[in-house]
Amino acid sequence: EIVLAQSPDTLSLSPGERATLSCRASQSVTSRHLAWYQHKPGQSPRLLIYGASTRATGLPDRFSGSGSGTDFTLTISRLEPEDFAVYYCQQYGASPYTFGQGTNLEIK
Amino acid sequence: EVQLLESGGGLGQPGGSLRLSCAASGFTFNNFAMSWVRQAPGKGLEWVSGIFGSGGRTYYADSVKGRFTISRDNSKNTLNLQMKSLRVEDTAVYYCAKERFGEFSWFDTWGLGTLVTVSS
Repeated sequence: EIVLAQSPDTLSLSPGERATLSCRASQSVTSRHLAWYQHKPGQSPRLLIYGASTRATGLPDRFSGSGSGTDFTLTISRLEPEDFAVYYCQQYGASPYTFGQGTNLEIK
Repeated sequence: EVQLLESGGGLGQPGGSLRLSCAASGFTFNNFAMSWVRQAPGKGLEWVSGIFGSGGRTYYADSVKGRFTISRDNSKNTLNLQMKSLRVEDTAVYYCAKERFGEFSWFDTWGLGTLVTVSS
């Protein structure tokens, strides 16, 4: 099983600042089969990034993903109020699929 | 519009059974892999089980293997999860999720979730 470790667990920032979220895999993720999701309380998770760096349809370009192998990053260049949420990385290259434990992006 | 609507959640007893269903619409159901993902109270997302579009292959997390069975009825556009030998730690919101392709792809659509509570 590929274990995904996200860091930090909590990130406290202000609107307008840059957010950098990390996801590290216990072994190489096949063909960059890594996605990022945003999850807000009471809502369904929302796809942000797939293939490590491809933005989902309609996603603002302030969101970007990068990385390969075992190290991946989600960057939000300028935080908007609606960006504060929990973010998860997920690998879908091998079964069982796995999620990271999540990073809680909170307003400072 | 692609939609997923879960049903069947509720209160189950330890050792008991529950059956979840997910009604899909707005896409050609049998072309896409589907999964169940859960979130226990105060915890993160956990993938539970998946099934290829053809229905030929199924996958399970170790935490549910041998207790849960995923299936799909492509004639009724429905995904199911039969849950047996329920444990308190199975308490969670269960989401139905659609993959982008027939296998090994990302989740592009999620349902609203159904709450399962396991308690005596």
